[in-house]
Amino acid sequence: AQSVAQPEDQVNVAEGNPLTVKCTYSVSGNPYLFWYVQYPNRGLQFLLKYITGDNLVKGSYGFEAEFNKSQTSFHLKKPSALVSDSALYFCAVRDINSGAGSYQLTFGKGTKLSVIP
Amino acid sequence: DTGVSQDPRHKITKRGQNVTFRCDPISEHNRLYWYRQTLGQGPEFLTYFQNEAQLEKSRLLSDRFSAERPKGSFSTLEIQRTEQGDSAMYLCASSRSDGPSYEQYFGPGTRLTVT
Repeated sequence: AQSVAQPEDQVNVAEGNPLTVKCTYSVSGNPYLFWYVQYPNRGLQFLLKYITGDNLVKGSYGFEAEFNKSQTSFHLKKPSALVSDSALYFCAVRDINSGAGSYQLTFGKGTKLSVIP
Repeated sequence: DTGVSQDPRHKITKRGQNVTFRCDPISEHNRLYWYRQTLGQGPEFLTYFQNEAQLEKSRLLSDRFSAERPKGSFSTLEIQRTEQGDSAMYLCASSRSDGPSYEQYFGPGTRLTVT
């Protein structure tokens, strides 16, 4: 079974400071990893993904994430936070070895990011 | 904008009634997914279609739930004899099918309230 943990329910950061939203995962095989953002009353928006290759992946709106296989982590980062980054962030995983035709994503519970002006 | 659309956006129903939601995926996407999201939780997978074939169903999808995608385009999710525990946001997503790693694009969701 695959699972995702987002250990922080809420992260507060001052505008202009770097931000990190943590994510750890558990899969039996190799993971596909994703970050999504959810604004109030809106659906999830895709930010970035790790499939293979370079452990540092870059995504939309200046976000990036670092895949660490030994620590089974995929933390989301941004060098300089904006007030408009305030939202709910979800990490998701799919085990590429999970049964033929299984494409379901398993999500964490989400982390609320608040960027303080 | 040609993203995933869902209808209705909000639905209030009385316990025991049947409800049906519709999802229109991005036009070139062959895969379509349904998820359910409750307050304070991440989305939970319900079911998945490749074209018109329903290939995967979660144990969360009880016998009261049924999903269809008759022509491989739009999909419907029906809940029969609704219960208060069915109150949630129902999310639809779609993705390309020419590879296993493509990200899923989500619609705005249908918020169901069962009174």
